[in-house]
Amino acid sequence: GAGVSQSPSNKVTEKGKDVELRCDPISGHTALYWYRQSLGQGLEFLIYFQGNSAPDKSGLPSDRFSAERTGGSVSTLTIQRTQQEDSAVYLCASSPEGVERLYNEQFFGPGTRLTVL
Amino acid sequence: RKEVEQDPGPFNVPEGATVAFNCTYSNSASQSFFWYRQDCRKEPKLLMSVYSSGNEDGRFTAQLNRASQYISLLIRDSKLSDSATYLCVVNTFSGGYNKLIFGAGTRLAVHP
Repeated sequence: GAGVSQSPSNKVTEKGKDVELRCDPISGHTALYWYRQSLGQGLEFLIYFQGNSAPDKSGLPSDRFSAERTGGSVSTLTIQRTQQEDSAVYLCASSPEGVERLYNEQFFGPGTRLTVL
Repeated sequence: RKEVEQDPGPFNVPEGATVAFNCTYSNSASQSFFWYRQDCRKEPKLLMSVYSSGNEDGRFTAQLNRASQYISLLIRDSKLSDSATYLCVVNTFSGGYNKLIFGAGTRLAVHP
């Protein structure tokens, strides 16, 4: 079946511009996560959506970052007034977390490579 | 101190070697533990979960020591295809949210 998809795969933008990154999770997965990974670094948690609950935004690095998930499916991560330090691979993952919200395997998308010039 | 710490490597080993990776975590309330594998410029994929009793999947063995807050991964009879970065992942479920912390990864290079 279809996995997690992300678009665009690559995005080059100029400092100060806004960007939108899209994630299509696996159908039926209730949990959706956004991470970013800088070159040679580990994954940095950004935000987590679970069903209709309020998202966990504790990982967002600044108020320039925001995300939404419409209809419990597609998610968009928006970065306003991009800075060079925002350059990274942005990864989305979805998970079929059950009613008890116990953690299940995360399935990652291929990521969006963002370069801010 | 990082919440999840791993030796970054790289571990350079010949085919057929046995190699072990370690990981320590700081939050004693963490409940579940995993090893993910990430190939160069690819997304991470689950390798195996880690259970208190220890678990084995073919050439891979994972161990958890809750008292020492320590996780390990052992790879026997290394293959060229095992070359990748191995990420230690720790999950804490609190306040209705899962919070996953990824280690920075340990890089493995298997050579002929």
